[in-house]
Amino acid sequence: DQQVKQNSPSLSVQEGRISILNCDYTNSMFDYFLWYKKYPAEGPTFLISISSIKDKNEDGRFTVFLNKSAKHLSLHIVPSQPGDSAVYFCAASADTNAGKSTFGDGTTLTVKP
Amino acid sequence: DVKVTQSSRYLVKRTGEKVFLECVQDMDHENMFWYRQDPGLGLRLIYFSYDVKMKEKGDIPEGYSVSREKKERFSLILESASTNQTSMYLCASSFPLSNQPQHFGDGTRLSIL
Repeated sequence: DQQVKQNSPSLSVQEGRISILNCDYTNSMFDYFLWYKKYPAEGPTFLISISSIKDKNEDGRFTVFLNKSAKHLSLHIVPSQPGDSAVYFCAASADTNAGKSTFGDGTTLTVKP
Repeated sequence: DVKVTQSSRYLVKRTGEKVFLECVQDMDHENMFWYRQDPGLGLRLIYFSYDVKMKEKGDIPEGYSVSREKKERFSLILESASTNQTSMYLCASSFPLSNQPQHFGDGTRLSIL
């Protein structure tokens, strides 16, 4: 049973437009959600996170929204830039799990100039 | 800046060989992880270590073992390499809290011939 799902394997948007990446989870014990970005031939790097007690967290062009009742979170990138083209992983963790995270399969974002 | 260093970027081995992948982190993190990344399958946890000499199986431990003799070093061992272990291997480290992001190395692209 996959506890964290990213249902869109890929997303293509025009430069300057909004990118919305989605993530669903099933385990109500998750209390922290993180997004990572991965370029080819590099390891993932942490992008932004949100605690389960919040519904929104913003960092520059990146905003993460959390809907606990729907067990759904989304990452918004506004405006999208060609350098944002990468694989984005959603991850969820629980305090009871000593820092382990469960990752989604990733969404490949392509931002076209 | 946190540094997670994986000993090799690319490695080619033969079926049946014993393979060692090494990972070193410099941030005194308690947690260390080994993942493999395959197209369409996201990041799958192989093994997790929460302290020196302590380890826990992840989602896909079969065919692998690990060693953590020092806090900064976490080794992944393929006991008898097989072609289905051809993959990208990623090491990560973190503090043992759900709100702490994992820091990844750049990965080892392992090919088993």
